[in-house]
Amino acid sequence: SQQGEEDPQALSIQEGENATMNCSYKTSINNLQWYRQNSGRGLVHLILIRSNEREKHSGRLRVTLDTSKKSSSLLITASRAADTASYFCATDNYGQNFVFGPGTRLSVLP
Amino acid sequence: KAGVTQTPRYLIKTRGQQVTLSCSPISGHRSVSWYQQTPGQGLQFLFEYFSETQRNKGNFPGRFSGRQFSNSRSEMNVSTLELGDSALYLCASSSVPAGGRRGTDTQYFGPGTRLTVL
Repeated sequence: SQQGEEDPQALSIQEGENATMNCSYKTSINNLQWYRQNSGRGLVHLILIRSNEREKHSGRLRVTLDTSKKSSSLLITASRAADTASYFCATDNYGQNFVFGPGTRLSVLP
Repeated sequence: KAGVTQTPRYLIKTRGQQVTLSCSPISGHRSVSWYQQTPGQGLQFLFEYFSETQRNKGNFPGRFSGRQFSNSRSEMNVSTLELGDSALYLCASSSVPAGGRRGTDTQYFGPGTRLTVL
């Protein structure tokens, strides 16, 4: 079964607004990572947060991790049309391979 | 460093045929994992190779197989193709295998091979 579950499945916002996506998982993790995928192409690694970290920033990205709730969120601030893509969370589960959620489709309208 | 490369980028096959996909990892990376992505099932893990040995295998039938060469390049093969095998096949490389990853290790993905089975 899928480990990560993203929420919402689809999100549509205006340029300049913030976009928040959530991810829930079920078992203990080594780390959690977020990836972006444009139009059925390869996945681009965005950010990694370790299990002992609570928040991490990278440019316009902010990721939080709550291991007690087994959830993570990805915030994209001041979104741009180029941010239109699908976003996936992936959990690294100590010796197992990455398990991906179904993804959130983000549309940023100009 | 050059990224992960996959060939071919697009393939069209008919049912019953077989297909071989190729992946070249980032230089120095010895772990290669394969994933299948479909609209219905999402991203699903196929298998992982490290130092020419299969380390992990996902829940796929035996028609799906792979191998890794001494230069870390990997191939996956699908025999007796079915319509449901139509998918984007993604390869990812890492410097360490799944069991050896530290908290900061990640996988880097190639652009994928789009397989269409008619």
